[in-house]
Amino acid sequence: GENVEQHPSTLSVQEGDSAVIKCTYSDSASNYFPWYKQELGKGPQLIIDIRSNVGEKKDQRIAVTLNKTAKHFSLHITETQPEDSAVYFCAASDDGLTFGKGTHLIIQP
Amino acid sequence: EAQVTQNPRYLITVTGKKLTVTCSQNMNHEYMSWYRQDPGLGLRQIYYSMNVEVTDKGDVPEGYKVSRKEKRNFPLILESPSPNQTSLYFCASSLKPPGTGIYEQYFGPGTRLTVT
Repeated sequence: GENVEQHPSTLSVQEGDSAVIKCTYSDSASNYFPWYKQELGKGPQLIIDIRSNVGEKKDQRIAVTLNKTAKHFSLHITETQPEDSAVYFCAASDDGLTFGKGTHLIIQP
Repeated sequence: EAQVTQNPRYLITVTGKKLTVTCSQNMNHEYMSWYRQDPGLGLRQIYYSMNVEVTDKGDVPEGYKVSRKEKRNFPLILESPSPNQTSLYFCASSLKPPGTGIYEQYFGPGTRLTVT
């Protein structure tokens, strides 16, 4: 089955700086790569996703890049704000969804 | 409002006492799924359902049962809970399975279960 590795487990950045979270996957058949944000006491919420036929996707301050050859994908958040503080999960799917272990992003004021 | 609801939100029980966590969605979604979330392990899929009366095991199904008699409901059943099932549980739904890469998966608010 699919295996997703996510790094780092904790990331602390200054407000206004950029944050990058990286994931690798094992199953070359995976074709869909969503990113979820989980705030304290809530369920995960989709923030951006990318399909295997696209190399990059951007939505305001958030972008995702995908390298199918290397089987890795990354989340980029620019101009970070306090409300970006949360746990972020990457996932890979060829049928179901396999999640990474999560990254706790801390935005320092 | 489109949403996935779970009940109860918090539950403390004892080993061996059967319990059911309910999940309901109002979006007419075909695909529903249960996950457990444990510190350092992320989200792991327990069971999923492609449609009414169609269920299948996920990555960690041992000790759990599910049923899908109606499209909107997907209860999670623990016939004989044990302490290693203490966890945070999430129900999720989407119009079609995640592999289609088209439809967003919506998560419920979570159920925190403690088994003593």
